[in-house]
Amino acid sequence: GAVVSQHPSRVICKSGTSVKIECRSLDFQATTMFWYRQFPKQSLMLMATSNEGSKATYEQGVEKDKFLINHASLTLSTLTVTSAHPEDSSFYICSARVGHRQGTYNEQFFGPGTRLTVL
Amino acid sequence: AQRVTQPEKLLSVFKGAPVELKCNYSYSGSPELFWYVQYSRQRLQLLLRHISRESIKGFTADLNKGETSFHLKKPFAQEEDSAMYYCALRADSWGKLQFGAGTQVVVTP
Repeated sequence: GAVVSQHPSRVICKSGTSVKIECRSLDFQATTMFWYRQFPKQSLMLMATSNEGSKATYEQGVEKDKFLINHASLTLSTLTVTSAHPEDSSFYICSARVGHRQGTYNEQFFGPGTRLTVL
Repeated sequence: AQRVTQPEKLLSVFKGAPVELKCNYSYSGSPELFWYVQYSRQRLQLLLRHISRESIKGFTADLNKGETSFHLKKPFAQEEDSAMYYCALRADSWGKLQFGAGTQVVVTP
């Protein structure tokens, strides 16, 4: 099946710094990638939809200036948490949608997640 | 507004017993529904989707539009079925997914 990777798998940073998380589709081209946030023992909350070459679409309540998303190529999307604070500590998960691969249209493949801890 | 409801946070069953995970949805259009599974320390992965009408790992799920439900069933639970299960609804043409809160399944021998 299609593989999505995330880097780093975990990061610890000081309050006020920015952190970049990468999401890559390893063996397919992803026209659309999604970024989710998951709190402990809770469900995934969609943060934004990222389409290659265009601006991300953010969900209501998600600060676009806080969570910068760039989808510069068909295999890479990045999420930058700017001026991170302890309340931004969470598990961030990306997924990539297979656009036109036969038999898997609309299927999303998930990355392993990135654990962010802001001190 | 679209919503996915999974009323059970935790389901504990014995090995060999039937298991049913409830999922109800609200959506104004024609729904596309999925079940995702997350095993311990692994990433989220697709278990099955309603349009394919298939059985995966012994699990089946039928879309009932009248009851707006998409319950997941397995007649004989196995220990390896212990995992977190999420029901999800495709919410737009880009494939955005609305997830339910999830149900933790624990299968004991």
